[in-house]
Amino acid sequence: EVQLLQSGGGLIQPGGSLRLSCAASGFTFSSYAMSWVRQAPGKGLEWVSTVSAYGDLTYYADSVKGRFTISRDNSNDTLFLQMNSLRAEDTAVYHCAKMVSVAALDHWGQGTLVTVSS
Amino acid sequence: EIVLTQSPATLSLSPGERATLSCRASQSVSSYLAWYQQKPGQAPRLLIYHASNRATGIPARFSGSGSGTDFTLTISSLEPEDFAVYYCQQRSNWPLTFGGGTQVEIK
Repeated sequence: EVQLLQSGGGLIQPGGSLRLSCAASGFTFSSYAMSWVRQAPGKGLEWVSTVSAYGDLTYYADSVKGRFTISRDNSNDTLFLQMNSLRAEDTAVYHCAKMVSVAALDHWGQGTLVTVSS
Repeated sequence: EIVLTQSPATLSLSPGERATLSCRASQSVSSYLAWYQQKPGQAPRLLIYHASNRATGIPARFSGSGSGTDFTLTISSLEPEDFAVYYCQQRSNWPLTFGGGTQVEIK
């Protein structure tokens, strides 16, 4: 059974940094691209970032480019999102997700709430 | 950036009725279109990928069609558990984008 177990998140002041983790199990982690998707309270889904299976290619939404860094540790089956220079508009539930054919997101983590507020 | 426009924003139907949801892309996405279902407090669930392929474990009452810029998700006969928000998503080009969602509510 595919499982994506998220950790990190919480309340952080504007300008602060936070690191999200996503521990994967139940599939060959190193064979799949992985993504982060967020959802602000009461809003729709917003893609944040994707990393290729080997970690050599990364993609970012313009809204986070230069502030967020996606990475992965294939030896420990873990995905990361380093978030710097956080803003109030980054407040959202963040989900990690496994990609299929680098086109769709077939398994999702439970989500972790990031609240940016003073 | 490819913009996905979903319609209607809200669909009010009764159990047993047929639901037809639309997703229109601002430019062709070929068949790189997926559909998701999301219930309150839950992560989204993949229903359809590559426009018309049902994901593992998805009931046959869910079907997807279309290519290019116009796509449809059809629920042939609504079950009580189908009342939720539905999103389309494309990955023809980066950035990956989602539509604004259609809420299917009980009439």
